[in-house]
Amino acid sequence: EVQLVQSGAEVKKPGESLKISCKGSGYRFTSYWIGWVRQMPGKDLEWLGIIYSGDSETRYSPSFQGQVTMSVDKSINTVYLQWHSLQASHTAIYYCARLMAPGAYFSGWYDYWGQGTLVTVST
Amino acid sequence: QSALTQPASVSGSPGQSITISCTGTSSDVGGYNYVSWYQQHPGKAPKLMIYEVSNRPSGVSNRFSGSKSGNTASLTISGLQAEDEADYYCQSYDRSLTGWVFGRGTKLTVL
Repeated sequence: EVQLVQSGAEVKKPGESLKISCKGSGYRFTSYWIGWVRQMPGKDLEWLGIIYSGDSETRYSPSFQGQVTMSVDKSINTVYLQWHSLQASHTAIYYCARLMAPGAYFSGWYDYWGQGTLVTVST
Repeated sequence: QSALTQPASVSGSPGQSITISCTGTSSDVGGYNYVSWYQQHPGKAPKLMIYEVSNRPSGVSNRFSGSKSGNTASLTISGLQAEDEADYYCQSYDRSLTGWVFGRGTKLTVL
């Protein structure tokens, strides 16, 4: 059974750093891209970017380039999303999702989703 | 990134059919058959309902169907059931992003 299990909720102060995780199981981890999606409170879904678990190739949304960093640790089937300096506007639920792409990456769709990680940034 | 345009809300009675539209541009919806639809219940993660405009993943009811004409994609749910009440988001590849753009979400109410 394919599963993506994300790390737990975080409460941070502005300026702090944070790294959240997404662990994949039940499939060949290194053969898939993993995407990250943000959902601010009561708001819509926004695509942050994707990372290829096999070689760490990344593609970021222009809106989030420079704000977040994606990485992968193949040895433990885990991808990460990191902030170096959090702001209140980063408060949101962050989802990871597996990209199913039989052809080029952009032809794919997100078939399995993690449960989401709530990040709260507040003084 | 400019979100795809969806109606904020739609409603229908049990057994009826509803259609949710998703309008983009030739850079996204109109340019590719890479439109997906996701269902999201409150407090839950999104769930894939339709991919590549009209394909249903295994396990998704055949009451859900998708189509596209020009720059507008559509999700139709027939035989509405109470469990269909949720938010629905369309998604398309956007070549100007070299990534994906979501719609603004449509809240479906089953009366």
